[in-house]
Amino acid sequence: AQRVTQPEKLLSVFKGAPVELKCNYSYSGSPELFWYVQYSRQRLQLLLRHISRESIKGFTADLNKGETSFHLKKPFAQEEDSAMYYCALSRPGGSEKLVFGKGTKLTVNP
Amino acid sequence: KAGVTQTPRYLIKTRGQQVTLSCSPISGHRSVSWYQQTPGQGLQFLFEYFSETQRNKGNFPGRFSGRQFSNSRSEMNVSTLELGDSALYLCASSLDGAGANVLTFGAGSRLTVL
Repeated sequence: AQRVTQPEKLLSVFKGAPVELKCNYSYSGSPELFWYVQYSRQRLQLLLRHISRESIKGFTADLNKGETSFHLKKPFAQEEDSAMYYCALSRPGGSEKLVFGKGTKLTVNP
Repeated sequence: KAGVTQTPRYLIKTRGQQVTLSCSPISGHRSVSWYQQTPGQGLQFLFEYFSETQRNKGNFPGRFSGRQFSNSRSEMNVSTLELGDSALYLCASSLDGAGANVLTFGAGSRLTVL
């Protein structure tokens, strides 16, 4: 079965520092990868998807098929980036809608 | 436009009882999927419905069931509740095709089983 691993449960950085949230997946085909985010007292929402190749709120993520990774990066973290971040995967013909990692709680300190 | 609406938001049940949760998707979204969220297991996929048909199913026992109505509203039912069923149940809706995996989530129904 496909699996999504987010190795860090907690990540703490200072405002203005670069941040990288790691995501590794186990699937040999061509999955679709996503980052979803949940801010405090808000609903889980899509942050970005790899096929869009967009930068959302300064965040980017590159799909590395060789390393089966989809790390989320931002060069200068802001306090409002503090949230729970979930990496998710969908595979063609898969039996699950989306497979989520267990999440990384990012705290950006002033 | 209105977001995904889940009712009830909170409920408390005792072991052995059953519960029904409701989800109204965004207008125009025909796919509704359900997830169970717990601190230990994270987000686990329950099932997906599209046009009143179950399209995908996760690895949950048969006590967990669902259905979808012609207006795309969905319900999930858990029978013979167990303590381990205590969780936040999230519903998400999406379009089909290219937007199929862009999920819009509801606020969730928090179930406590005593």
